[in-house]
Amino acid sequence: EVKLQQSGDELVRPGASVKISCKASGYTFTSYSMHWVKQRPGQGLEWIGAIIPIIDTTEYNQKFKGKATLTADKSSNTANMELSRLTSEDSAVYYCARSYGYTYDWFAYWGQGTLVTVSS
Amino acid sequence: DIQLTQSPSSMSASLGDRVSLTCQSSQGIGNYLSWYQHKPGKPPKPMIYYATNLADGVPSRFSGSRSGSDYSLTISSLESEDTAIYYCLQYDEYPYTFGAGTKLELK
Repeated sequence: EVKLQQSGDELVRPGASVKISCKASGYTFTSYSMHWVKQRPGQGLEWIGAIIPIIDTTEYNQKFKGKATLTADKSSNTANMELSRLTSEDSAVYYCARSYGYTYDWFAYWGQGTLVTVSS
Repeated sequence: DIQLTQSPSSMSASLGDRVSLTCQSSQGIGNYLSWYQHKPGKPPKPMIYYATNLADGVPSRFSGSRSGSDYSLTISSLESEDTAIYYCLQYDEYPYTFGAGTKLELK
């Protein structure tokens, strides 16, 4: 069974950074791309970017370049997203989502979501 | 970037109604379009992929179709559990983009 277990909710100060993890199980981690999606309160879904672990390639939404950094730890089957220089605009639920296939594919599996609250 | 325009932005319907939601793409994406059902406090649930294919576990009252650059998600007979926000997603090219969503409520 494919599972994506995300790290817990975070309360962080403005200007700080936060790292969210997404631990994958039930499949070969390197064979599928992992995507990240943002949802601000009352807003729609936004695609942040993706990492393809097998070739260590990342793709970013231009809007999130410099804000989000995606990495993959193949030893622990964990995808990570670090968000830097946080502001209130970064307060949101963040989801990881695994593609159905290797790349250019729909999101077949989702993590449960991680709430990031930016507040002093 | 590819723009996806969903309509209507919200709607209400009665139990048993046939409901159709639309997603229009600003450029050709072939069949690289999927639909997700999103309920509060839960992750989005895949409903349709490659425009017309039903995802695992999705009831057969849901279906997807395509006419040119217009894509539709249809519920043949609305049930109470179908109330949610529905998003379309194009995965033809990066950056992937979502539509703004359609909020479906019971009348």
